[in-house]
Amino acid sequence: GQQLNQSPQSMFIQEGEDVSMNCTSSSIFNTWLWYKQDPGEGPVLLIALYKAGELTSNGRLTAQFGITRKDSFLNISASIPSDVGIYFCAGHLKPSGRNRDDKIIFGKGTRLHILP
Amino acid sequence: EPEVTQTPSHQVTQMGQEVILRCVPISNHLYFYWYRQILGQKVEFLVSFYNNEISEKSEIFDDQFSVERPDGSNFTLKIRSTKLEDSAMYFCASSDGGYNSPLHFGNGTRLTVT
Repeated sequence: GQQLNQSPQSMFIQEGEDVSMNCTSSSIFNTWLWYKQDPGEGPVLLIALYKAGELTSNGRLTAQFGITRKDSFLNISASIPSDVGIYFCAGHLKPSGRNRDDKIIFGKGTRLHILP
Repeated sequence: EPEVTQTPSHQVTQMGQEVILRCVPISNHLYFYWYRQILGQKVEFLVSFYNNEISEKSEIFDDQFSVERPDGSNFTLKIRSTKLEDSAMYFCASSDGGYNSPLHFGNGTRLTVT
């Protein structure tokens, strides 16, 4: 089945540092999504990517949809304490012959820790 | 900003009991989903629902699970006879059905089966 490999599994950084995490897949996806999950809450959408090669920013966050449609990265610049949490990539595939595939596959997450 | 709401936030039940998890999706959304997350693990797809029927389900979503949209606002997940391994966070999500539209998640219900 489709799987997403997300790395790194966890990161420990100093406040103010830049962060980079990525996701790869053996399958091609039509959409890449990046979510953040805070403790005790549901995933919150950060960035959605719809076209291969697309580079999209949301404040200090930047994400790119890889040209091969099998990978994506998320960068966070100048990290702050509220960036702590788990970041999930998710892929959405639209198979041929159907109007939509309702299933989104999630990576295992990157847990971001910020050292005092 | 409209949001997906889920109740209860935490439910404790005994093994073998039935539970119903409730969700109110965003009002103009047409596609509804349930996902679950076992503690410390990734978010897993359970089922998607559109036009009053299941459109896709995973192997996790066996005969013990069912979903229903009993009225114009609620979307429920029922587990008929809970097992210990059903303990997890259950997330409801909805989307407006636009091309590749992203999902919006609720804050989840933590189900603990004892």
